[in-house]
Amino acid sequence: EPEVTQTPSHQVTQMGQEVILRCVPISNHLYFYWYRQILGQKVEFLVSFYNNEISEKSEIFDDQFSVERPDGSNFTLKIRSTKLEDSAMYFCASSDGRPNTEAFFGQGTRLTVV
Amino acid sequence: AQSVTQLGSHVSVSEGALVLLRCNYSSSVPPYLFWYVQYPNQGLQLLLKYTSAATLVKGINGFEAEFKKSETSFHLTKPSAHMSDAAEYFCAVSVSGGYNKLIFGAGTRLAVHP
Repeated sequence: EPEVTQTPSHQVTQMGQEVILRCVPISNHLYFYWYRQILGQKVEFLVSFYNNEISEKSEIFDDQFSVERPDGSNFTLKIRSTKLEDSAMYFCASSDGRPNTEAFFGQGTRLTVV
Repeated sequence: AQSVTQLGSHVSVSEGALVLLRCNYSSSVPPYLFWYVQYPNQGLQLLLKYTSAATLVKGINGFEAEFKKSETSFHLTKPSAHMSDAAEYFCAVSVSGGYNKLIFGAGTRLAVHP
């Protein structure tokens, strides 16, 4: 069964450093998303991406964040100058865009900023 | 704007007992509704979805949910809990289904005891 894969599963970084979280969406999907879950809190939408551009972003997704689809398979989330409060589980998701279908989620990357 | 409220951050049931996890939504347009499950240290897995077809939706692992427009609810039930059902359950809403962001509830952690 097709699945969304994320790497790495865990990432520890020092405050102020840049991190790149990687995702390989399901191959025939057209819409890509990043969500964040701070420990003990709800899953929050960060950004959606379609046709090589951001289609929607939340207020959380400020200039510190960027997304990219560098090739035909990867979808990345870059966090510049990480802060302690960026520590969270980051989920990548993808969907084929049909109205009656769901988003498929990856296993997540746990980011710890120290 | 869409929103989701899950009543009860923690629910504890005995093995074999009925599971009822509550979800109420707010949406100005007909919603698409989803239940996702998150097992410890894993990603989000779709349990079931409502996409304006049948109001009673059956999902995986014996779970089902009923869409009640008059009550703006989409409660998740399972007749008989199993130890393996222990997990966190998230209700989510989107407006357009497969190509729109999901708005998640805060989640309900289900504990199943012998």
